[in-house]
Amino acid sequence: QQPVQSPQAVILREGEDAVINCSSSKALYSVHWYRQKHGEAPVFLMILLKGGEQKGHEKISASFNEKKQQSSLYLTASQLSYSGTYFCGTESNTGNQFYFGTGTSLTVIP
Amino acid sequence: EAGVAQSPRYKIIEKRQSVAFWCNPISGHATLYWYQQILGQGPKLLIQFQNNGVVDDSQLPKDRFSAERLKGVDSTLKIQPAKLEDSAVYLCASSPGTSRRSYNEQFFGPGTRLTVL
Repeated sequence: QQPVQSPQAVILREGEDAVINCSSSKALYSVHWYRQKHGEAPVFLMILLKGGEQKGHEKISASFNEKKQQSSLYLTASQLSYSGTYFCGTESNTGNQFYFGTGTSLTVIP
Repeated sequence: EAGVAQSPRYKIIEKRQSVAFWCNPISGHATLYWYQQILGQGPKLLIQFQNNGVVDDSQLPKDRFSAERLKGVDSTLKIQPAKLEDSAVYLCASSPGTSRRSYNEQFFGPGTRLTVL
């Protein structure tokens, strides 16, 4: 039931864009996105709810395809500070459990 | 606004010993979560409280793990007895949300790094 993320890892140069995907086997009610830097706790980025409501972050956006049970996180004009591991978190339509995804390591280099 | 507090930050114990972790959520947050994060993996939800009631503990290994949230504020997570595979970072998070069907933003504490030898 853990959502699967792709890619597992990506390296970018400053200013480049990246897309991180999150796919679930369950019909989803909400998708959350968090970023975790090495040795630190996860930090909230975004919530997307079924029906299209979105609570976001500047320069980072996301989409939620309810039919495909997928979400994508878009990072534009990446900065060094974007480096870290990105996790999606999902809540299904039919249950109350919350699952974090497999994670995507993103490294931004000068 | 003070963040989520956790203690201790680090703990080293031998297998079969007991250990307890403490969490103080952000003031006024109704929902409290305990996660286990094994190195290189995403956090795994162990238990979720809403006020002092358990909302979800489906992934909590109840033969050795227990948690309580007295008076709907602080919480304690205990492992008894510990196994080698319990080595992980234990994260506490809190959220202002009270709706069971809509998870709000979670604020995480710094975590407790447990090493079981």
